[in-house]
Amino acid sequence: DADVTQTPRNRITKTGKRIMLECSQTKGHDRMYWYRQDPGLGLRLIYYSFDVKDINKGEISDGYSVSRQAQAKFSLSLESAIPNQTALYFCATSDPGQRLTDTQYFGPGTRLTVL
Amino acid sequence: DQQVKQNSPSLSVQEGRISILNCDYTNSMFDYFLWYKKYPAEGPTFLISISSIKDKNEDGRFTVFLNKSAKHLSLHIVPSQPGDSAVYFCAASAGGAQKLVFGQGTRLTINP
Repeated sequence: DADVTQTPRNRITKTGKRIMLECSQTKGHDRMYWYRQDPGLGLRLIYYSFDVKDINKGEISDGYSVSRQAQAKFSLSLESAIPNQTALYFCATSDPGQRLTDTQYFGPGTRLTVL
Repeated sequence: DQQVKQNSPSLSVQEGRISILNCDYTNSMFDYFLWYKKYPAEGPTFLISISSIKDKNEDGRFTVFLNKSAKHLSLHIVPSQPGDSAVYFCAASAGGAQKLVFGQGTRLTINP
C-alpha cells in the first residue's frame, strides 16, 4: 500500500465551486506539505504544516486554505475555484528527525481542472 | 524570482551514453540539494542528494556534483537506460527549514 495517498486522483469542477483535496499518510511523519505543479514552473509550495497545531503559508497560498485534522491527514481547499487553479496538486511528507536529508515523500497527485 | 533554475526543459540521450542534467541556484543560504525523478501519473520520488559540505555524491549510476562558487549542480547518469526517461527536478533547502524550492524540471528521454 502507498505511504502517501491523495483523493481524488482526478477532479473536474466549475468556476466558483468549493473543492477539497485530501491527503493521508501512513509514514508517521509530522511534517506535511501541499504543492502545485504547472508546466514550466516546477513545483510550488502552497501550504505546509510541521505538526497538527502548526500551519504555514507557502509562496502561493492565495485562494487556498488547509486543515490538519490529525498527524496523518492534511486537506487542501479551494474556497471558490478559478480556471488558473487548474494544475497537478501534490501532497508530501517529511520526518523532522531526518533533517540532514530534507527528503520529502510525495503522493501520486491530484489532477484538478477548473472550467 | 526563480531561486532554482533548470534551463533545459528537455534532453534526449542515446541509451548507454551519459546524461547530464544541470541546475543553477541564486540563494547562497541553500545548504542541501536534492534531485527528484517523476514518471507520468506518479508523484516525484527522491533520487539523490548532496550537502553543501561536499562537492560530489554517488549512488550507483547516479552522481551529483556541486560547485558552490558557481552556484551550480549537475546530475550525471551513466550509463543511461530507457527506464531513466522521466522528468527530473532539482530542489534546494536552507538552514534546516525543511522547505524545498524546486526548479522547473527537465524531461529526459533515453532513446534505444
